[in-house]
Amino acid sequence: ETGVTQTPRHLVMGMTNKKSLKCEQHLGHNAMYWYKQSAKKPLELMFVYNFKEQTENNSVPSRFSPECPNSSHLFLHLHTLQPEDSALYLCASSQGTAGDTQYFGPGTRLTVL
Amino acid sequence: ILNVEQSPQSLHVQEGDSTNFTCSFPSSNFYALHWYRWETAKSPEALFVMTLNGDEKKKGQISATLNTKEGYSYLYIKGSQPEDSATYLCATNSGYALNFGKGTSLLVTP
Repeated sequence: ETGVTQTPRHLVMGMTNKKSLKCEQHLGHNAMYWYKQSAKKPLELMFVYNFKEQTENNSVPSRFSPECPNSSHLFLHLHTLQPEDSALYLCASSQGTAGDTQYFGPGTRLTVL
Repeated sequence: ILNVEQSPQSLHVQEGDSTNFTCSFPSSNFYALHWYRWETAKSPEALFVMTLNGDEKKKGQISATLNTKEGYSYLYIKGSQPEDSATYLCATNSGYALNFGKGTSLLVTP
């Protein structure tokens, strides 16, 4: 266990659905991240939050909407997704300084029909 | 080198064999190099963070070295065991974010 949990672990949704992914960290960290891994591609950063403020948005389409209500929780709201958005979505946290070790959750496997 | 590159893409060894992987990265604006071990259906597990040229880290039978001037890192596994089977990822920092390679998939058979 890394101290980072994600729910749900698997999600199947239609293109017109709205769903949310949840991440919670129990490590007392200040920074949280969303990464995406598509088939045969490396892990790719989506968003970074530091002290609840978004510090990076890696040109992610607006159909992905992050929310960070506090330093322990991170959400990714999904709406009108496309089949090509099917991927593994990983959450991570770190103490909050560049170069810190990032601790990952197990990911949510998303399938968009 | 513009991106983080790892080789080989996959590796199949027998139990007891020693093995090593390579991670190549841009040497300019280097900050830190991370190695992760990722088993299927589990969370990526942090192995090492290295920042200084010449750094060497060791954890059990796994060790890593870093050359920031030429932009590469090696990961060594001495006497591989079936439980070492996993994907090994390396990543460099770009600010807070990590830039990952595609990983080396290791399979160790008895």
